[in-house]
Amino acid sequence: DAGVTQSPTHLIKTRGQQVTLRCSPKSGHDTVSWYQQALGQGPQFIFQYYEEEERQRGNFPDRFSGHQFPNYSSELNVNALLLGDSALYLCASSLINGGTYEQYFGPGTRLTVT
Amino acid sequence: AQSVTQLGSHVSVSEGALVLLRCNYSSSVPPYLFWYVQYPNQGLQLLLKYTTGATLVKGINGFEAEFKKSETSFHLTKPSAHMSDAAEYFCAVSNPGAGNMLTFGGGTRLMVKP
Repeated sequence: DAGVTQSPTHLIKTRGQQVTLRCSPKSGHDTVSWYQQALGQGPQFIFQYYEEEERQRGNFPDRFSGHQFPNYSSELNVNALLLGDSALYLCASSLINGGTYEQYFGPGTRLTVT
Repeated sequence: AQSVTQLGSHVSVSEGALVLLRCNYSSSVPPYLFWYVQYPNQGLQLLLKYTTGATLVKGINGFEAEFKKSETSFHLTKPSAHMSDAAEYFCAVSNPGAGNMLTFGGGTRLMVKP
């Protein structure tokens, strides 16, 4: 049973560019959440997708957008990259009505903006 | 709004000594509480969680935590530290019914001396 997978592992982009990160949830999970973890800090919630719609959103600008596909996988898009967007981006999956309230995290994508 | 405070960004213990990592939270409703561990260049792994019921919860790798409502605390302990426990530890809170969105503390780096 595969856990949460993310691609790519590492990514280097230039300021102003756009980036797309990908996430496949744990088998059986229907909800995907994205978190940004800056160096030396705790993860911060970006948004959550369920039934292909954004269900909740944290305090992030519109440059951050996402998508969920019918197979529950998800993408995180960031436009007009800033140096401050450099971080580890974590995807987490869960079951909306699972009752265990647990989120399973992937290994993350390390984004460096130069 | 929820928040999590982890006292001590760095904690150093000797191998075999007691591990105590502190976590205090604020929440307008009875929260669900979690401890996650992060090893270098990896994602987050759930150590333990409190949702309802018994306030002393046991997790993996010999860790346990006690939910104290009166102190709004959820400190993590382990009786005897191992070298393999060296990692970053994050306390997190979620609001039941809020889609399992996690609010994390800033993290505590545990160092274990031989």
